[in-house]
Amino acid sequence: EAQVTQNPRYLITVTGKKLTVTCSQNMNHEYMSWYRQDPGLGLRQIYYSMNVEVTDKGDVPEGYKVSRKEKRNFPLILESPSPNQTSLYFCASSSADRFYGYTFGSGTRLTVV
Amino acid sequence: ELKVEQNPLFLSMQEGKNYTIYCNYSTTSDRLYWYRQDPGKSLESLFVLLSNGAVKQEGRLMASLDTKARLSTLHITAAVHDLSATYFCAVMDSNYQLIWGAGTKLIIKP
Repeated sequence: EAQVTQNPRYLITVTGKKLTVTCSQNMNHEYMSWYRQDPGLGLRQIYYSMNVEVTDKGDVPEGYKVSRKEKRNFPLILESPSPNQTSLYFCASSSADRFYGYTFGSGTRLTVV
Repeated sequence: ELKVEQNPLFLSMQEGKNYTIYCNYSTTSDRLYWYRQDPGKSLESLFVLLSNGAVKQEGRLMASLDTKARLSTLHITAAVHDLSATYFCAVMDSNYQLIWGAGTKLIIKP
C-alpha cells in the first residue's frame, strides 16, 4: 500500500530534550515536506525537500532541523523543544511535478511541557 | 505571491441541503487540490483539478475549476452527517509549492 508513515503518533516531552519525528514514504517520491497545524493558523510549512540532500526552509523553520540522506526518509529534528512547538505535525510527499498533490502521513501530536 | 482564500471558514447546515464552498486565489495557476480532514486526523485527497473547466464528482461532492476567474468551488449536494469535516483547497504556485487555504469547517446537523 502506498503510504507515508510517521512515528510516533503521540509524544509528550519536556522542554529542551532533543527529539526526532520520523517520516518514511514508499512511493519513490522526490518531494517531501513537513507541516505543523495549529488551531486558527491552518497548515504552515516548516521545511521541504526536492530530492536527496536538497532541503529548504518553509514558512516557520525556526527551532527545527531536517535531513534527507535517503529518498524515502525525511526526519524532523527538534534540538531543544519549547512549549510553543506543541502542535500537530504532518509529513507529506509527492512526485516531483506534484501532479496528484500530496500524500500525507497520519500526523504526530507533540506536547512539550 | 500567491494567496488562497476560502469562504466561508465555518458552515453549519442541515442534512439534505445543498451548499458551496469557494476557493479564490490571487495569481495564475492551473492546478488546484481539495482535501478533507476529520478532527485530529490526517488530510485526505478528494480532488485534483488540472485545467480550466475541470469538473470532478465523487458521491455528494463536486469540484470545479475556473482558472480565468481564479476560482474553484466545492459543491455539496443533499448533505449527510458523514460529510462533516474541514475542507481545504490548495493551489500550486510557480515554484511547484502548494499554497493552502485556511480551511472550511463544515458541520452537518441531522
